[in-house]
Amino acid sequence: EAQVTQNPRYLITVTGKKLTVTCSQNMNHEYMSWYRQDPGLGLRQIYYSMNVEVTDKGDVPEGYKVSRKEKRNFPLILESPSPNQTSLYFCASTLHLLAGGPSEQFFGPGTRLTVL
Amino acid sequence: AQSVTQPDIHITVSEGASLELRCNYSYGATPYLFWYVQSPGQGLQLLLKYFSGDTLVQGIKGFEAEFKRSQSSFNLRKPSVHWSDAAEYFCAVGADSDSWGKLQFGAGTQVVVTP
Repeated sequence: EAQVTQNPRYLITVTGKKLTVTCSQNMNHEYMSWYRQDPGLGLRQIYYSMNVEVTDKGDVPEGYKVSRKEKRNFPLILESPSPNQTSLYFCASTLHLLAGGPSEQFFGPGTRLTVL
Repeated sequence: AQSVTQPDIHITVSEGASLELRCNYSYGATPYLFWYVQSPGQGLQLLLKYFSGDTLVQGIKGFEAEFKRSQSSFNLRKPSVHWSDAAEYFCAVGADSDSWGKLQFGAGTQVVVTP
């Protein structure tokens, strides 16, 4: 089954304790990204990756890091989490169509993070 | 840069009534348009998408959307809502450019269905 998986689904942590949220896709998609969802703001892109070893900042990258060592995995790292990073996080992947432009974006189930 | 506006934060509709959710986008070239639905506690599910061709797009769960270039709109409609349609709906626009993978989302419209 084609899917994007994220772990953990729920996480409660304390300020300053480093954490990693994993993301993996089995569709051989080139493009992967991380979004955060906050009430009234929709989803905002944190970081994205167009392929292995190619990553770049999205709209709200402060306080986050990513890596793309393998095509299927795109972990999100919070080196020193703060309460304003309490949010719902989604990983997504998509394939570039040969005719140009993106195919649909597939989303993971989400990770609800609470930073105390 | 592209942007998306969903003017209605919250809509209440009676079961069996029709539903229309508004979406306006700002983008210089041909946009790639999507509607996603998020049920309570769930991830995002694609309802439908528009890339080119027929401007009236059919999606899953009985939804359709119409692309109107002159109005920069991509409104979502359903003729008769079911209680299970209560959810949050997001319109999103993608670009055919260096940022082709990025989706710009609207703030969402929360739909409440009453008996």
